[in-house]
Amino acid sequence: EVQLVQSGAEVKKPGESLKIFCRASGYTFGIYWIGWVRQKPGKGLEWMGLIYPGDSDTRYSPSLQGQVSISVDKSISTAYLQWTSLRASDTAKYFCARRDCTPTGCSSAFDIWGQGTMVTVSS
Amino acid sequence: QSLLTQPPSASGTPGQRVTISCSGGSSDIGGNTVNWYQQLPGMAPRLLIYNTDQRPSGVPDRFSGSKSGTSASLAISGLQSEDEADYYCSARHDTVNGPVFGGGTKLTVL
Repeated sequence: EVQLVQSGAEVKKPGESLKIFCRASGYTFGIYWIGWVRQKPGKGLEWMGLIYPGDSDTRYSPSLQGQVSISVDKSISTAYLQWTSLRASDTAKYFCARRDCTPTGCSSAFDIWGQGTMVTVSS
Repeated sequence: QSLLTQPPSASGTPGQRVTISCSGGSSDIGGNTVNWYQQLPGMAPRLLIYNTDQRPSGVPDRFSGSKSGTSASLAISGLQSEDEADYYCSARHDTVNGPVFGGGTKLTVL
């Protein structure tokens, strides 16, 4: 079964660092882009960035560039989303998702989603 | 602020056909394909429609997508109670160099 399993909920204080993960299974991890999507409480979806595990090529949303970093460890089929200094405004549920691709190319859609990681930042 | 505009709510009765609209511009919907997601309460989004009008395997043919110019629509026919969810449209935005989402439409089955 193709699936993405994310790390558990986190409660952090402002200024703390955090790294959450997204572990893939059931497919060849290295040939599908992985994206991260944020959903603030009661709000809609917001794309944060994409990474291609094959060569770690990374794209960030212009509105979030510099606020987070995305990385992968291909050896364990895992993608990461990391903050060096959290803010209260980072409180949200974070989803990883696989970009839909076929042998002929990729669409802009995300076809497989992780269950989400809730991050709460509060003093 | 979402770059794609959706009505915040929609409703219908069981068996009815409902449509949800999504409005954008030339840099997103106008020049790229559209995707639709369904999100049940407390769950991860689920891909319903990709490449504007394609359904992934397992998605009932009650769901269909279309696009005209800079607007897109999701149609749900034979509405069922389990269709009650939030629906999001998405399209690649040329400037963002990634997908942008609509603000979401909460569908209520009366």
